[in-house]
Amino acid sequence: GENVEQHPSTLSVQEGDSAVIKCTYSDSASNYFPWYKQELGKRPQLIIDIRSNVGEKKDQRIAVTLNKTAKHFSLHITETQPEDSAVYFCAASSGSARQLTFGSGTQLTVLP
Amino acid sequence: DAMVIQNPRYQVTQFGKPVTLSCSQTLNHNVMYWYQQKSSQAPKLLFHYYDKDFNNEADTPDNFQSRRPNTSFCFLDIRSPGLGDAAMYLCATSQDRGHFNEQFFGPGTRLTVL
Repeated sequence: GENVEQHPSTLSVQEGDSAVIKCTYSDSASNYFPWYKQELGKRPQLIIDIRSNVGEKKDQRIAVTLNKTAKHFSLHITETQPEDSAVYFCAASSGSARQLTFGSGTQLTVLP
Repeated sequence: DAMVIQNPRYQVTQFGKPVTLSCSQTLNHNVMYWYQQKSSQAPKLLFHYYDKDFNNEADTPDNFQSRRPNTSFCFLDIRSPGLGDAAMYLCATSQDRGHFNEQFFGPGTRLTVL
């Protein structure tokens, strides 16, 4: 089955700096890679996703890059704000599996 | 607004007393999932329904059962809750169109076992 590793487990940055979270996956058949943001006590919410037919996707301050050869993908947040503080989960899935395998999560803290 | 709804939001039960959590959706999605999430951990998939087909994860305890009487509703039954079953239970839905699509999560039910 799929295995997703996520690093770092905690990340503190100063407001305005960039944050990068990295994930690796094991199943070369995986072709869908979402990132979820979860605030304390709330539901995970999709912030960006990427499919294996593209290498990069950007949405305002958030970008995701995918390297299928190396089987890793990363989340980049620029110009961080205190409201970006949350736990971020990466995940991977292959179409036939119809289910997500989550990474272990990164607690991001943006210091004002 | 189309959404995923979970009831109750908070559930307190006693050790060994059966409990049922419910999930409903107005998205008309064909796949529904139940996850268990413990503090500071990733959501752990318990099982999912693809239409009426039930798919159990290999490591989901027998203590956990599920029912999906129709497209809109899905229930999680915990037959004999133990202290280790205290967690947030998340329901999610997605629409399978031959390739994987976004999962939409409900707000969760926080289960406390006394």
